[in-house]
Amino acid sequence: QVQLQESGSGLVKPSETLSLTCTVSGGSIGAYYWGWIRQPPGKGLEWVGYVSYSGTTNSDPSLKSRVSISVDTSQNQFSLKLNSVTAADTAVYYCARLFYDSSGYFDLWGRGALVTVSS
Amino acid sequence: DIQMTQSPSSLSASVGDRVTITCRASQSISIYLNWYQQKPGQAPKVLIYAASSLQRGVPSHFSGSGSGTDFTLTISSLQPDDFATYYCQQSYKTPLTFGAGTKVEIK
Repeated sequence: QVQLQESGSGLVKPSETLSLTCTVSGGSIGAYYWGWIRQPPGKGLEWVGYVSYSGTTNSDPSLKSRVSISVDTSQNQFSLKLNSVTAADTAVYYCARLFYDSSGYFDLWGRGALVTVSS
Repeated sequence: DIQMTQSPSSLSASVGDRVTITCRASQSISIYLNWYQQKPGQAPKVLIYAASSLQRGVPSHFSGSGSGTDFTLTISSLQPDDFATYYCQQSYKTPLTFGAGTKVEIK
């Protein structure tokens, strides 16, 4: 079955760039949208953005100036970069598949990657 | 942005109880409403999509209803495995937004 796995740096210094990659295994990245959702410690879920298999992107307006999401279909991966991070960006970052069937919902999720912003 | 307001923020219930969680959107979102369950240390799991469609593999004691601005997640008979936090999410328009969550605890 299709599985997602986040990888990347778990500790990022303030003002630097957070980088995460999600590897999709057991299926093709094609024909779907792929998203990033984050969850600050003890808080709720926040949508970060998504990318389509063809490279179309969309992200939360509050993060748009700092976010870059890309897809590499040859590697079956998609990636998140968030620059100029602060402590407020500390969170568990989940990658997920955005499936459209009457409604757009995240039907497959990675296990999550904790990213801490600290000097 | 569309604001999603869930209530209550937490509740205590016993095994076998009927539990209802509500989610209200700040504008009409038709049926573009999904429900997720999250347990501590785990990723969320979709339960209901398009307001009332049960995701494959989800037990039938979960159900969803509503359209427009008001939605409900119902657990008809609470099971031990159901103690978790539940989130609603709208996909009517971007930015995609989630409710703040409802924590269901053991009474």
